[in-house]
Amino acid sequence: GAGVSQTPSNKVTEKGKYVELRCDPISGHTALYWYRQSLGQGPEFLIYFQGTGAADDSGLPNDRFFAVRPEGSVSTLKIQRTERGDSAVYLCASSNRPYNEQFFGPGTRLTVL
Amino acid sequence: AQRVTQPEKLLSVFKGAPVELKCNYSYSGSPELFWYVQYSRQRLQLLLRHISRESIKGFTADLNKGETSFHLKKPFAQEEDSAMYYCALYGSGGYQKVTFGTGTKLQVIP
Repeated sequence: GAGVSQTPSNKVTEKGKYVELRCDPISGHTALYWYRQSLGQGPEFLIYFQGTGAADDSGLPNDRFFAVRPEGSVSTLKIQRTERGDSAVYLCASSNRPYNEQFFGPGTRLTVL
Repeated sequence: AQRVTQPEKLLSVFKGAPVELKCNYSYSGSPELFWYVQYSRQRLQLLLRHISRESIKGFTADLNKGETSFHLKKPFAQEEDSAMYYCALYGSGGYQKVTFGTGTKLQVIP
């Protein structure tokens, strides 16, 4: 079956612009996670959704970052007023319930010029 | 605060040699620990989790609460084991934050 998909695979933007990154989880997975991975680092937790609600958004670095999952499936990570330091690979993962195996997407490589 | 430490960025071993990838954690609650692996040009994927206590691809990991460690071991390394390995800690008690270590690159020399 289809795995987790993320679009776009690459995004280049200019400092100060707004970007949206999309995640399509595995069908039926209620748990959805967003991570950010910088070069040489492990995935850094951003936010966790259980269904439509953000159960834990403690990893969002500041109020420029926001994520939604309005119907409990597709999720969008939104970054306002992008900065060069936001450049990273943004990973999405889904799971059929908390504490279970997470299935990762291929990531979106964001480059802020 | 929860923290995961993987002290080695790179571990090189010869084929057939034993492997131990170190993971130490800091967490006040009851930890749920996992090992994820990323092979070249592939996605991150689960290797094993501590509560299953199973061996996957010859790898095992034992949770040692006294030493707050969850080291990954394999008695005889294979070339196909070359990959990035990440230790991950899942929070509990109403918080679902997941903390990954910085990863260890395992290089198995033929």
